[in-house]
Amino acid sequence: DVQMTQSPSNLAASPGESVSINCKASKSISKYLAWYQQKPGKANKLLIYSGSTLQSGTPSRFSGSGSGTDFTLTIRNLEPEDFGLYYCQQHNEYPFTFGSGTKLEIK
Amino acid sequence: EVQLVESGGGLVQPGRSLKLSCVASGFTFSNYGMNWIRQAPGKGLEWVAYISSGSSYIYYAETVKGRFTISRDNAKNTLYLQMTSLRSEDTALYYCARLELGGYFDYWGQGVMVTVSS
Repeated sequence: DVQMTQSPSNLAASPGESVSINCKASKSISKYLAWYQQKPGKANKLLIYSGSTLQSGTPSRFSGSGSGTDFTLTIRNLEPEDFGLYYCQQHNEYPFTFGSGTKLEIK
Repeated sequence: EVQLVESGGGLVQPGRSLKLSCVASGFTFSNYGMNWIRQAPGKGLEWVAYISSGSSYIYYAETVKGRFTISRDNAKNTLYLQMTSLRSEDTALYYCARLELGGYFDYWGQGVMVTVSS
């Protein structure tokens, strides 16, 4: 199975700042990485797939980059609604595997 | 609007069985592969099982293979997960999720809790 290592586990930032979350695959997954946002009481939301393609409805302040084994989710100009948990997921091969998550908190 | 609504969770003793359901609406259910994904309390996401649109292809995580069975009824727009020989480590919030062709999950339900405890 492809192991996904996500960092950092926790991140604190203020509205208006920019943050980056990293995800490293144990082997090459080409461009096939997705990012999700998780918030209490809401369905998990797909933000980005195939490394850098924004899902319809994802604000342009979100961006994804990377290929092979190293990927980054960047959120620019943080809004209050951006705080929550973020997960990466490789969608290159079964079994699909997720990173351990990053909790983004308000500083 | 796409909606996925899970049900059937609850408290169950180790070794017993439980069947989860997920009713889909807002899209043509029979056109999409579907999945179950779970999240243990305070833990990350774990993919559990996949079923193709016409039920021809089914895959399971090694942790549930032989104990869980995924199925679907396209006439009822419903996805199922039959869970047998339940263990304490199966305690989790179980989500159903729609699979886009590219292999990512574009819609999720809000989840149903399964607690395995004596």
